[in-house]
Amino acid sequence: AQKITQTQPGMFVQEKEAVTLDCTYDTSDPSYGLFWYKQPSSGEMIFLIYQGSYDQQNATEGRYSLNFQKARKSANLVISASQLGDSAMYFCAMREDNFNKFYFGSGTKLNVKP
Amino acid sequence: NAGVTQTPKFQVLKTGQSMTLQCAQDMNHEYMSWYRQDPGMGLRLIHYSVGAGITDQGEVPNGYNVSRSTTEDFPLRLLSAAPSQTSVYFCASSSAGPPTDTEAFFGQGTRLTVV
Repeated sequence: AQKITQTQPGMFVQEKEAVTLDCTYDTSDPSYGLFWYKQPSSGEMIFLIYQGSYDQQNATEGRYSLNFQKARKSANLVISASQLGDSAMYFCAMREDNFNKFYFGSGTKLNVKP
Repeated sequence: NAGVTQTPKFQVLKTGQSMTLQCAQDMNHEYMSWYRQDPGMGLRLIHYSVGAGITDQGEVPNGYNVSRSTTEDFPLRLLSAAPSQTSVYFCASSSAGPPTDTEAFFGQGTRLTVV
């Protein structure tokens, strides 16, 4: 079974609008962490935001927020006020406390239109 | 602060050749791993290590070997390159959990083409 599922291969958003990138995960471990990474066309992996499974509040980092719905096992990334520089591939990832492995989704390619 | 250093950045191999992708980190991280990235597949774990002398297989280990003789280095060896190993390879490191609140730090990637 897929540990991380990203169902949107590609998305478009108008500059200055908000966009939500979907991520669902599968784990039986009660303690885990969820991560989002950005990969621009230059290829490097840039860490954006982290959410712990026991965190009561949704994580926020500047224009990025993570909409964490534990019962639904979803961890959607919300980017507010999109900028042209946000055009990139975005990966959702999970790490379980019992295993020292990161599981990655297949990614969502976001295109921001001027 | 170098972080994770991965070499080479580009490599072309002929089918059947062997090579080693180098990965070094200077953050004293226990956990290191290798991924391959293929279009539409995300990052798939090849091998990982939770400390010197300890390695384990990930999702797609066939055709690859690793060893971890020091905390800093985690080389990936392709034993006999095949066109199916054409991919972008990433090395990553992080502190070992729990807690799992430390992100993985990535190298710049190696674009490998096997002809």
